[in-house]
Amino acid sequence: GDSVTQKQGQVTLSEDDFLFINCTYSTTTYPTLLWYVQYLGQGPQLLLKVTTANNKGISRGFEATYDKGTTSFHLQKASVQESDSAVYFCALVASSGSWQLIFGSGTQLTVMP
Amino acid sequence: GGIITQTPKFLIGQEGQKLTLKCQQNFNHDTMYWYRQDSGKGLRLIYYSITENDLQKGDLSEGYDASREKKSSFSLTVTSAQKNEMAVFLCASSRDWGTSAETLYFGSGTRLTVL
Repeated sequence: GDSVTQKQGQVTLSEDDFLFINCTYSTTTYPTLLWYVQYLGQGPQLLLKVTTANNKGISRGFEATYDKGTTSFHLQKASVQESDSAVYFCALVASSGSWQLIFGSGTQLTVMP
Repeated sequence: GGIITQTPKFLIGQEGQKLTLKCQQNFNHDTMYWYRQDSGKGLRLIYYSITENDLQKGDLSEGYDASREKKSSFSLTVTSAQKNEMAVFLCASSRDWGTSAETLYFGSGTRLTVL
């Protein structure tokens, strides 16, 4: 079945550092890949979507890309701010004809001032 | 805009107790979901409801029941609370069951503690 692996459980950076979070996926179709962000005390919200058509998504200074060859997708930001501290989840849309989202385990990003 | 309201925000129960979590949305969305969030395990789907009179099991449905009382409300029942059940339960909605399901709108969660 479809799966998503997000190995970086915690990332700690300083303000203005470069952020790179990676996920790998397994699916039988051309996937739609998503990034959700969850701020403290809130539910997750959609940050970015990447499809095989556009290969890249950009929102709020974040950029998401995917690599079909290595079945991985990435979230990056050139210069993080303390306000970017949150949990970031990668996800993909299930390939089984269902529209269920399969989520990774999440990366807790802490940005130090 | 709209909002998803989950009640209660904190729920404390005894082992073996039946507990109910409630969710209301004012987006007028067709599809609603219940997810469980455990630390380090991401979000796992418990139940979802594609339309008002529909109920579907997710990967984690054992030990839970759900009820879609009307379009705007979706409840989750823990049939017999267990100590390893302590987690945050998130309700979500999407406009419908299709490409719109890529965009989920979440509530802020109910944190369950089992004594």
